[in-house]
Amino acid sequence: DGGITQSPKYLFRKEGQNVTLSCEQNLNHDAMYWYRQDPGQGLRLIYYSQIVNDFQKGDIAEGYSVSREKKESFPLTVTSAQKNPTAFYLCASSAEVGEKLFFGSGTQLSVL
Amino acid sequence: AQSVAQPEDQVNVAEGNPLTVKCTYSVSGNPYLFWYVQYPNRGLQFLLKYITGDNLVKGSYGFEAEFNKSQTSFHLKKPSALVSDSALYFCAVRAYRAGTALIFGKGTTLSVSS
Repeated sequence: DGGITQSPKYLFRKEGQNVTLSCEQNLNHDAMYWYRQDPGQGLRLIYYSQIVNDFQKGDIAEGYSVSREKKESFPLTVTSAQKNPTAFYLCASSAEVGEKLFFGSGTQLSVL
Repeated sequence: AQSVAQPEDQVNVAEGNPLTVKCTYSVSGNPYLFWYVQYPNRGLQFLLKYITGDNLVKGSYGFEAEFNKSQTSFHLKKPSALVSDSALYFCAVRAYRAGTALIFGKGTTLSVSS
């Protein structure tokens, strides 16, 4: 069953802690993305990757980091530098950058 | 820079009536335009896209969208709304240049009453 898997579904972060959100796809897509969703603000692009070992900053990359060591995986780390991390995080992939996106089910991150 | 605007936070329509969800965009050159739908606590689902060709694009679940270059708009439409169409709708745009990621609007909540 092809698709994008995000885990965990819910995540809690303590102050000063780094947390990592997982995103795995088995669609054989080259491009992967992370978006942040806040109520009333829509989706904002954090990072995207066109190919393995390459990634580009989006509009709100500060306080986040990513890696792309494997084609099927694009984990997002929310660092302690991100002062307002509470949001719904969506991972997506596409055959190429800018093409039709396939989304995961999201991770809700909250601060304890 | 590319941007997209959805001027209405919420659209209310009665079941069986036509619906329109508005979207305007700004991009250099020819745009790629998309509509996505999101149900509560879920990821987004693709509805339709416009790249080139006919200005009226047909998509999933009976939705269609009309591209208007002079008004830089890409409004989502459906002739007869269903209660199950109630959801959050996002318009997205990217520039024609390869390697550009999609930029999304803030979303419009569609509420269809029975």
